[in-house]
Amino acid sequence: EDQVTQSPEALRLQEGESSSLNCSYTVSGLRGLFWYRQDPGKGPEFLFTLYSAGEEKEKERLKATLTKKESFLHITAPKPEDSATYLCAVQGAGSYQLTFGKGTKLSVIP
Amino acid sequence: NAGVTQTPKFQVLKTGQSMTLQCAQDMNHNSMYWYRQDPGMGLRLIYYSASEGTTDKGEVPNGYNVSRLNKREFSLRLESAAPSQTSVYFCASSEGGTANSPLHFGNGTRLTVT
Repeated sequence: EDQVTQSPEALRLQEGESSSLNCSYTVSGLRGLFWYRQDPGKGPEFLFTLYSAGEEKEKERLKATLTKKESFLHITAPKPEDSATYLCAVQGAGSYQLTFGKGTKLSVIP
Repeated sequence: NAGVTQTPKFQVLKTGQSMTLQCAQDMNHNSMYWYRQDPGMGLRLIYYSASEGTTDKGEVPNGYNVSRLNKREFSLRLESAAPSQTSVYFCASSEGGTANSPLHFGNGTRLTVT
């Protein structure tokens, strides 16, 4: 059974204070690891897909990395508009289903 | 470009009532999905449709039925609502079912069953 654990559950940062969110996973044959951003009252919004260990992807202040057991979402010099819940999900071999973590709620204080 | 549109946005039902949640996408995607999101839990797949004319059960299908009406539309029906079905329901679509085609989500239907 695929499993995803995200930590911490919540994170408060001062504006400009860089940090990282963690996503630990177990999956049979990783096809992809996904990061989504979810704002209150909205559906998740796709950020990145990572396919293999060592891969990195960047978008503005966000950088996602992947190892064989976990992924990190690094946030550099965050701004208040980066406040959201960040979701991690994995897709295993031969499956249409994504297994989602519970998310990390990020708050960036001005 | 509307993306994925869900109706209604909010709904309150009494136990035993039935309703259908509607979802439409305008991205010409082949695959569509219904998820539920509950506090303290990750998104869980209810049903999905890999392509027009096919539907399959996800992780939590009990108490639900689905219809892939055409390529654009995928509806979720609750035949006899129960309080345990109080949740936020999200519809999503993707070009295909592979990791190369990420999910695009609607903004959800917030359902309360009393």
